[in-house]
Amino acid sequence: EDQVTQSPEALRLQEGESSSLNCSYTVSGLRGLFWYRQDPGKGPEFLFTLYSAGEEKEKERLKATLTKKESFLHITAPKPEDSATYLCALNYGGSQGNLIFGKGTKLSVKP
Amino acid sequence: GAGVSQTPSNKVTEKGKYVELRCDPISGHTALYWYRQSLGQGPEFLIYFQGTGAADDSGLPNDRFFAVRPEGSVSTLKIQRTERGDSAVYLCASSMGVRPDTQYFGPGTRLTVL
Repeated sequence: EDQVTQSPEALRLQEGESSSLNCSYTVSGLRGLFWYRQDPGKGPEFLFTLYSAGEEKEKERLKATLTKKESFLHITAPKPEDSATYLCALNYGGSQGNLIFGKGTKLSVKP
Repeated sequence: GAGVSQTPSNKVTEKGKYVELRCDPISGHTALYWYRQSLGQGPEFLIYFQGTGAADDSGLPNDRFFAVRPEGSVSTLKIQRTERGDSAVYLCASSMGVRPDTQYFGPGTRLTVL
C-alpha cells in the first residue's frame, strides 16, 4: 500500500478555473507535510510546509491545507504559468530525515 | 543566494562503467540528501547525511551505490558497475536541520546508462 497518494494524476484547467489537488496519506506520527512544484527538467521547488491538522498556508494563487489524513492544494484562478507537476511529500516517524513523495499531479492550465 | 548545485547536469555512460555525481549544498546547510527520480514518479530517497556521517542509507538499492561527504559540505554519489536500470535523474537536496525541515533541491543529474 502506498504511503502517499496524490489525485488526480493529471488535471487540465482553463485559465481562471479554480480547482484542488489532493494528497492523502496512511502513515502515523506525521512530522511535516511538504508541497513542491516541479517543472520539466528541473528539481522540485519548495512551496509549503504544514505541521499539524487545521494549518493553512497561502502563496499567491495557491493555498495548502492539512487534515489528519490528507492535504489539499487549492489553486485559485490559475494562469498558464502555474502549469507544472505538484508533488506532495511527508516526513514521519519511520523516515527520520528523508521525505516520502507521492507520484505527483501534473497540472496543465490552458489560456 | 546560491542554491544547491549538481554536476554534471547530464551523464551518459555504458553498462558496467563507474560514475560519480557531485552535489554542492546551500552554504551553512548541515543536512544533505540524495534522491532518485524515474520518469513519471516522485523522488525516491537514497541516503542522507548529517554533517559528515551518513545518518540513514536505507534507500541505497544495493552495494554498487555509495556516497560520501568527507568535509560536511560537498557530497559525491558513486555508482559502480552501472546497469541500465540505474538510468534516472539523481537529485540532491539540503536543509538547515533534519527533523523535519524544508529541503531545497538542486536541478538534478540525468544519468543514462546505455
